[in-house]
Amino acid sequence: SQQGEEDPQALSIQEGENATMNCSYKTSINNLQWYRQNSGRGLVHLILIRSNEREKHSGRLRVTLDTSKKSSSLLITASRAADTASYFCATDDRSSYKLIFGSGTRLLVRP
Amino acid sequence: DVKVTQSSRYLVKRTGEKVFLECVQDMDHENMFWYRQDPGLGLRLIYFSYDVKMKEKGDIPEGYSVSREKKERFSLILESASTNQTSMYLCASISPPRLLNTEAFFGQGTRLTVV
Repeated sequence: SQQGEEDPQALSIQEGENATMNCSYKTSINNLQWYRQNSGRGLVHLILIRSNEREKHSGRLRVTLDTSKKSSSLLITASRAADTASYFCATDDRSSYKLIFGSGTRLLVRP
Repeated sequence: DVKVTQSSRYLVKRTGEKVFLECVQDMDHENMFWYRQDPGLGLRLIYFSYDVKMKEKGDIPEGYSVSREKKERFSLILESASTNQTSMYLCASISPPRLLNTEAFFGQGTRLTVV
């Protein structure tokens, strides 16, 4: 079963606006990661937040983690057309070596 | 840079064929994974391996097997390909024995069509 579930499934915004994507998960984790996938390609790592962290920044990316609610959000500020992609959260299962991905959010940034 | 290479970008196979998807990484990573990706379903874990000759089933192992004879290579095998195995297949590797605070590296994906 999927560990992470992203919300919304699809998001369309205007260039310059902020984009927020949410992820929920089910079990205890060591960390939560966000990945980006351009159409038909492999995934590229964006940012990792540890289970003892609440917020992390990297450039235009801001990630929050609420372990009590088992949820995370990814905020992309001042979006660009080049941010158009699918975004996935991933969590590690503390009881095994698994890395589990959600179903992803498709982001479209209109020029 | 870490490189994860999948042997084929596109593949077309016939129903009933035995299909091998190869994945090679060049950074001495212990953990390797095979996922399939279908529209609306995200990435689903088929099999993973945390050491040579070690393998564990993921969420959807039926119809697949894997081989990890060398640390750098993780092969996904479709014993008898079926049309419902038409999908994008993604290989990933990650460094530590435990998934503590490091990222996974992905190959470019293999789009398999079974006809």
